[in-house]
Amino acid sequence: QKEVEQDPGPLSVPEGAIVSLNCTYSNSAFQYFMWYRQYSRKGPELLMYTYSSGNKEDGRFTAQVDKSSKYISLFIRDSQPSDSATYLCAMGGYTGGFKTIFGAGTRLFVKA
Amino acid sequence: DGGITQSPKYLFRKEGQNVTLSCEQNLNHDAMYWYRQDPGQGLRLIYYSQIVNDFQKGDIAEGYSVSREKKESFPLTVTSAQKNPTAFYLCASSFRDNLRNEQFFGPGTRLTVL
Repeated sequence: QKEVEQDPGPLSVPEGAIVSLNCTYSNSAFQYFMWYRQYSRKGPELLMYTYSSGNKEDGRFTAQVDKSSKYISLFIRDSQPSDSATYLCAMGGYTGGFKTIFGAGTRLFVKA
Repeated sequence: DGGITQSPKYLFRKEGQNVTLSCEQNLNHDAMYWYRQDPGQGLRLIYYSQIVNDFQKGDIAEGYSVSREKKESFPLTVTSAQKNPTAFYLCASSFRDNLRNEQFFGPGTRLTVL
């Protein structure tokens, strides 16, 4: 079993839709959780960071962490064609050394 | 502007050759990382360095080597021993011993073996 599972998609939605992206993980030692956005042939860009269970909102983006279920989500409201990218979840903590694990990424297409 | 730079953007290598990928950061980060990204496999850690003159192997270090002589620089050498080097290589950096460990990435180098 992988430490982090992320549906690769692709996920295709119409402009203006609410998008839900999810990851599950198995290591209860993970303490911090991140979402990155990666455009084609570019480096990942940090979108959201959360340290505790609950929600964190930044503009159209909301990150949600449920540590009891080992499940994290990223919601995108009023999705735009410019949101079309691959979204990577990442998480980390002290597991015999500080370590960050990345999901494989979900490809999102927002149609105009 | 603070950030991470990688060069070159594209690199072509003949089989049997060693090549070195450059990574420089001016974010005053102590830790630096090299990842390899292949389609559908996410990011895999090659090497990382927490401080100058020290580095550790990641999950797929075979066929790669690094050095960390300066805080700002963490070059990666892809040797001829690497069986399948064609991939997208990403360098990242972060503050050290920071439980949050937010990593910031460079633009990447795409290496193709001919």
